[in-house]
Amino acid sequence: GAGVSQSPSNKVTEKGKDVELRCDPISGHTALYWYRQSLGQGLEFLIYFQGNSAPDKSGLPSDRFSAERTGGSVSTLTIQRTQQEDSAVYLCASSLALQTSGGWEETQYFGPGTRLLVL
Amino acid sequence: SQKIEQNSEALNIQEGKTATLTCNYTNYSPAYLQWYRQDPGRGPVFLLLIRENEKEKRKERLKVTFDTTLKQSLFHITASQPADSATYLCALMNYGGSQGNLIFGKGTKLSVKP
Repeated sequence: GAGVSQSPSNKVTEKGKDVELRCDPISGHTALYWYRQSLGQGLEFLIYFQGNSAPDKSGLPSDRFSAERTGGSVSTLTIQRTQQEDSAVYLCASSLALQTSGGWEETQYFGPGTRLLVL
Repeated sequence: SQKIEQNSEALNIQEGKTATLTCNYTNYSPAYLQWYRQDPGRGPVFLLLIRENEKEKRKERLKVTFDTTLKQSLFHITASQPADSATYLCALMNYGGSQGNLIFGKGTKLSVKP
């Protein structure tokens, strides 16, 4: 009955290295999101996967960022040639949209995040 | 431009008082609005959803209002407790948006003093 899990919980890396962040969504949730949250800032949308559709990459800040979602479940966010400004908490969320009499509704369930520090 | 703003970065109140947090939006037509709670070092947790045709929704000590004329949602915590201290985020789903168009505010940090 697990919620969304993310690994690692903390990552310290050197500038210029590549990092991979993992997200395990709630089983059965068709949508998966990646956000970035810098200290004292709001959630910055990065990328969104919905089922087998092409992902919405409109929030990725540069071509150093990429993400995959294999088999409609686990997702990996990769940051290449990390920079100090990439330091932030990276949050993953999953959701299942429900159609109600009032229209589509979704609630996002968040993981605990990965704290990335680029030295 | 489209904006979603929460009234203040921080709100300090005394235990037992009612906390009121504000979420204002510009140039959106939300189908609904949600409130989340985020504790330090944790991801946000869903609290309440209110639709654009609903004026008010309650859950235990929480009350949310939604005024589409003022383009504003208010989030109230009555009989506040130190355990209510957290950051509260509002998020809206824009009309015409499918999944993926949930837009978050920056949050208000609430501190309840004993």
